[in-house]
Amino acid sequence: ETGVTQTPRHLVMGMTNKKSLKCEQHLGHNAMYWYKQSAKKPLELMFVYNFKEQTENNSVPSRFSPECPNSSHLFLHLHTLQPEDSALYLCASSRSGQGVNEQFFGPGTRLTVL
Amino acid sequence: SQQGEEDPQALSIQEGENATMNCSYKTSINNLQWYRQNSGRGLVHLILIRSNEREKHSGRLRVTLDTSKKSSSLLITASRAADTASYFCATDANTDKLIFGTGTRLQVFP
Repeated sequence: ETGVTQTPRHLVMGMTNKKSLKCEQHLGHNAMYWYKQSAKKPLELMFVYNFKEQTENNSVPSRFSPECPNSSHLFLHLHTLQPEDSALYLCASSRSGQGVNEQFFGPGTRLTVL
Repeated sequence: SQQGEEDPQALSIQEGENATMNCSYKTSINNLQWYRQNSGRGLVHLILIRSNEREKHSGRLRVTLDTSKKSSSLLITASRAADTASYFCATDANTDKLIFGTGTRLQVFP
């Protein structure tokens, strides 16, 4: 256990559905991240939150909408996704987004878009 | 283009052998990290080496960093079947973000 939990672990959704991914960290960290991992591609950083403020949006399509209500929780709201959005979505946290620290990852949500 | 690239893409060895993975990157860095990922799971941090360090050890892991060549290596000694996983290097490229490579898939046969 890394201290970062993600739910659900698996999600199948149609292109017209709306769903949300949840991430929670129990490490007292101030920075949280969403990554997308597709087969045979490097891990792609999607969003960074530092002290609840979004500090990075890596040109992510608007059908992905992040929310960070506090430093321990991070959501990724999904709507009108495309089949190419199927991937493993990983959440991570670290002490701070200032400089680069060790990141702690959750187990991921395996998303399949039909 | 991506910051880190691991080599080889895949590596198969027998238990007890050593496994060496290499990482090359393009821009200057503050530090380089190695992570491990079991199939379909999250990444686990293994070791961080700073740009002013040349070598670091952690248990059976040995990491080297050559900033002049912009490369790093991860050596796993006396490998075990449980070491089977993908291994990624990640660099900060003097920013507050980590950029990951595509990884090396290591298979250790008992």
